[in-house]
Amino acid sequence: GESVGLHLPTLSVQEGDNSIINCAYSNSASDYFIWYKQESGKGPQFIIDIRSNMDKRQGQRVTVLLNKTVKHLSLQIAATQPGDSAVYFCAEFWGNTPLVFGKGTRLSVIA
Amino acid sequence: NAGVTQTPKFQVLKTGQSMTLQCAQDMNHNSMYWYRQDPGMGLRLIYYSASEGTTDKGEVPNGYNVSRLNKREFSLRLESAAPSQTSVYFCASSAGLPNEQFFGPGTRLTVL
Repeated sequence: GESVGLHLPTLSVQEGDNSIINCAYSNSASDYFIWYKQESGKGPQFIIDIRSNMDKRQGQRVTVLLNKTVKHLSLQIAATQPGDSAVYFCAEFWGNTPLVFGKGTRLSVIA
Repeated sequence: NAGVTQTPKFQVLKTGQSMTLQCAQDMNHNSMYWYRQDPGMGLRLIYYSASEGTTDKGEVPNGYNVSRLNKREFSLRLESAAPSQTSVYFCASSAGLPNEQFFGPGTRLTVL
């Protein structure tokens, strides 16, 4: 079946730089997307979400961009900090089924 | 407000043993979920309950059963544990299916 995928399994970023984590989705009917952060030994934690009628949404130091033309989702983290080191998952939703999670990208921040 | 709680935090079983993982939420959410996460992998949905009184299979239901005891509680049972079920199990809840899910801290299960 269709599933959420990720371009990069690992990403290393210098502290203070901006991070961009990418996610490809294959279901054009998906209408809701969420980014989660999972720190080591903990459960996933909501970061930001976006609906398909939007192209961009901003939070505190994070921005999610949605490009429906190429079915691409990205999470931008400004001024990356050591506390941002974690695994990041995108998840998509369509119809009346639960969220579908991607495999995740590990972000390592180099001090 | 504790959010989503899970018990136990850690468990070691022998092959063939049974056990039940408990999950409770205090957010008055309608929907609850059970996931497993293998090392270096994403979340795979085992079972979910869209609302009290209903349960549905997810991606990997074989070897598991669930019970939505009431609106607050959703348990996961392994009837005859196998080494392939060694994993971290996460429970989550949400107001409804198309909503943000809140996760518990996880149960780390090892089956020898």
